[in-house]
Amino acid sequence: SQQGEEDPQALSIQEGENATMNCSYKTSINNLQWYRQNSGRGLVHLILIRSNEREKHSGRLRVTLDTSKKSSSLLITASRAADTASYFCATDAGGTSYGKLTFGQGTILTVHP
Amino acid sequence: DSGVTQTPKHLITATGQRVTLRCSPRSGDLSVYWYQQSLDQGLQFLIQYYNGEERAKGNILERFSAQQFPDLHSELNLSSLELGDSALYFCASSSRTMSGELFFGEGSRLTVL
Repeated sequence: SQQGEEDPQALSIQEGENATMNCSYKTSINNLQWYRQNSGRGLVHLILIRSNEREKHSGRLRVTLDTSKKSSSLLITASRAADTASYFCATDAGGTSYGKLTFGQGTILTVHP
Repeated sequence: DSGVTQTPKHLITATGQRVTLRCSPRSGDLSVYWYQQSLDQGLQFLIQYYNGEERAKGNILERFSAQQFPDLHSELNLSSLELGDSALYFCASSSRTMSGELFFGEGSRLTVL
């Protein structure tokens, strides 16, 4: 079953604009990760935020985590056409479940040149 | 290139048949994970191996089995195939440092006719 619910399901923006995707989850986590998937290809890890962190940056990516609301957001700034892909959040409960990721349904991002 | 190699990339077979999917993890990675991606179920964790031993099990059907060999490559065996088994099957591996990040292969697309 899917733990994460992602919102929106699809997002269409112009190059240069910012894109924000949200993810909610249901159970306690050790960390939350974001992955990108180009059409029909493998998933690529973007960023990981641990349960004791609130915000993390990596290049044009900014991730926030609110464990009290069981939610996370991924912001991509100054988007490019090459950012067009599906984005998934994934939660890791840790402990004996370490590495067993539970993925959300994904957000399909389209960036128009 | 994630360093995880999966074969075959595409596979078309008939209902009732059996197939084997193969995965070579990144050099040095001891953990191997199998995930299934389908339109209706999304990304689902199937099974994890660590250094040859089964570590965790997810939504893996009894018709499916996996193993990890001494050279750390892994195989996922799918038998008595049904139409609903058509999906993308991903293998991923993770590092010794247990940083949490998974490295995914490009997947094996299985079509059952």
